[in-house]
Amino acid sequence: EAGVAQSPRYKIIEKRQSVAFWCNPISGHATLYWYQQILGQGPKLLIQFQNNGVVDDSQLPKDRFSAERLKGVDSTLKIQPAKLEDSAVYLCASSSLPGHSYFGPGTRLTVT
Amino acid sequence: QKEVEQDPGPLSVPEGAIVSLNCTYSNSAFQYFMWYRQYSRKGPELLMYTYSSGNKEDGRFTAQVDKSSKYISLFIRDSQPSDSATYLCAMSADNQGGKLIFGQGTELSVKP
Repeated sequence: EAGVAQSPRYKIIEKRQSVAFWCNPISGHATLYWYQQILGQGPKLLIQFQNNGVVDDSQLPKDRFSAERLKGVDSTLKIQPAKLEDSAVYLCASSSLPGHSYFGPGTRLTVT
Repeated sequence: QKEVEQDPGPLSVPEGAIVSLNCTYSNSAFQYFMWYRQYSRKGPELLMYTYSSGNKEDGRFTAQVDKSSKYISLFIRDSQPSDSATYLCAMSADNQGGKLIFGQGTELSVKP
């Protein structure tokens, strides 16, 4: 079974630029999450999708972050404009069973 | 006060030692308890999952949950250099076991 795929793996941008990350979850997983992991910290949930609907985006900085999951499969997370404090690893996870979230390799974003 | 507290370490042990990793939490609504292993520049990998209280064993790994003390543990027997990684505890109050709240992670090094 293929795991969660993410791209790109690395991205370097200047502050105020925009960036987008892509995620392809495990086949058949209805639930998809985006997490932000700042260096030295545990991941923090940004948004949860169930199929193509948003379940929880209470921790998503909506003035600059947006996410969508078209057709209930792939998802994109966008930051516009980026700030220095957005430098982090952005992790996508998917789940089909309670308590079983599987993570992708992440996209490491550096904002200069 | 953070919802989930975890000593960041680093923890260094000799090969073959028994390792004990712990987390405490404050939210009594947590009902799903997970341990993830994260190698450098990789995504978190689900190691152990427990629903409610009790113990769970899988090979060299044992997870314990004590809801009365709000304390969870992961024990690694006969530790190997390949166990060197960051170990993250995660918890969820969500009825689907999603929306994970992570600890900071403990960095473990097993020396040959």
